[in-house]
Amino acid sequence: ETGVTQTPRHLVMGMTNKKSLKCEQHLGHNAMYWYKQSAKKPLELMFVYSLEERVENNSVPSRFSPECPNSSHLFLHLHTLQPEDSALYLCASSQDIPGTAQETQYFGPGTRLLVL
Amino acid sequence: AQKITQTQPGMFVQEKEAVTLDCTYDTSDPSYGLFWYKQPSSGEMIFLIYQGSYDQQNATEGRYSLNFQKARKSANLVISASQLGDSAMYFCAMREKEDSNYQLIWGAGTKLIIKP
Repeated sequence: ETGVTQTPRHLVMGMTNKKSLKCEQHLGHNAMYWYKQSAKKPLELMFVYSLEERVENNSVPSRFSPECPNSSHLFLHLHTLQPEDSALYLCASSQDIPGTAQETQYFGPGTRLLVL
Repeated sequence: AQKITQTQPGMFVQEKEAVTLDCTYDTSDPSYGLFWYKQPSSGEMIFLIYQGSYDQQNATEGRYSLNFQKARKSANLVISASQLGDSAMYFCAMREKEDSNYQLIWGAGTKLIIKP
């Protein structure tokens, strides 16, 4: 495996379900990110982790719960979601959290989530 | 005011022609970075090219080049000799410093369709 992988690629869940999204990066990076991409809206940054420590949480509802057990893995635990949470969830990684303008993020293929 | 503006929601281009995708930005930070990403229908966000605010020359990566006009705050992506596989969404993004961190700000994207 190379780059950034995400599973599952597609997920349909009811509002009372609990599910988890998984992200794994094989790039030796220290920072990982969760983004939400809704139709016709710019990417929204949800969470940032650096060396397994959360460094940013952009006012995301508590029904989204991230977990970073090590620098290669990132999870997004989902519970009691709403239909408006349906979106593409993208994971990304970078060498470090952006301390320069040049820090490049590399993305996974995303998980398409549909909440019924 | 929007920080990143992509004025073309969609474009149709004949195969083998060159394509210019527009991006203008707004920042008062002298040190910033500009990125272009490609997102095919599969969902993955693919990094294409980077331009730093202090770079004297326009960035190039294979068929991709960035027409950087600093005074006009413009960072257009040029794709030479377009191919059918270039059909995708294209996003312009800017990294600027906010407080102590560099934030990545995304445009709304341009949908490019290459016609055979």
